[in-house]
Amino acid sequence: DGGITQSPKYLFRKEGQNVTLSCEQNLNHDAMYWYRQDPGQGLRLIYYSQIVNDFQKGDIAEGYSVSREKKESFPLTVTSAQKNPTAFYLCATRGSSGANVLTFGAGSRLTVL
Amino acid sequence: GENVEQHPSTLSVQEGDSAVIKCTYSDSASNYFPWYKQELGKRPQLIIDIRSNVGEKKDQRIAVTLNKTAKHFSLHITETQPEDSAVYFCAASIGSGGYQKVTFGIGTKLQVIP
Repeated sequence: DGGITQSPKYLFRKEGQNVTLSCEQNLNHDAMYWYRQDPGQGLRLIYYSQIVNDFQKGDIAEGYSVSREKKESFPLTVTSAQKNPTAFYLCATRGSSGANVLTFGAGSRLTVL
Repeated sequence: GENVEQHPSTLSVQEGDSAVIKCTYSDSASNYFPWYKQELGKRPQLIIDIRSNVGEKKDQRIAVTLNKTAKHFSLHITETQPEDSAVYFCAASIGSGGYQKVTFGIGTKLQVIP
């Protein structure tokens, strides 16, 4: 996975259930990001974090929550408040200050039944 | 917040022709502009990037131009090949308080016809 592991790769959930997507990295990168990808809408930023115990809302944070308890981990919880959660979710990391390149994980596809 | 517009959404070219994808951004404080390529079923990968203090950058068949005054930047692919077929995303990055927010365009699906 090029240093970023997202799991599970595929996930099915029933309406009304919360689900947590995992993102783990061994790149020693400070910043981590969650994007949602829908056909025709590109990549939309959900949350991002620069350091442990700190994170910022992106453009579509409603219905999602995150935590950053460890540098290596940035899990995303899709709550029942997210009205249209079926999508492809991509986690990314960015290296130390001055290096702006995002490195993406392989993604998790969530389907709500 | 930053808004990145990208066009066209789809583009078909004959093999060997050039392809151009254009993006505009709204926040003049954006200072870094990467382009990512996403092949079918794979993750996006950086193909080229440009910083706000540079007007043009080239890497073999790929080039990017930036016009800060007009707030637009473009990707140029010359001598296209079938393996160039993919979805291309432009992005703009803006920094604040140690954070770098990276906003993407909607993507352009490029099809190179052999």
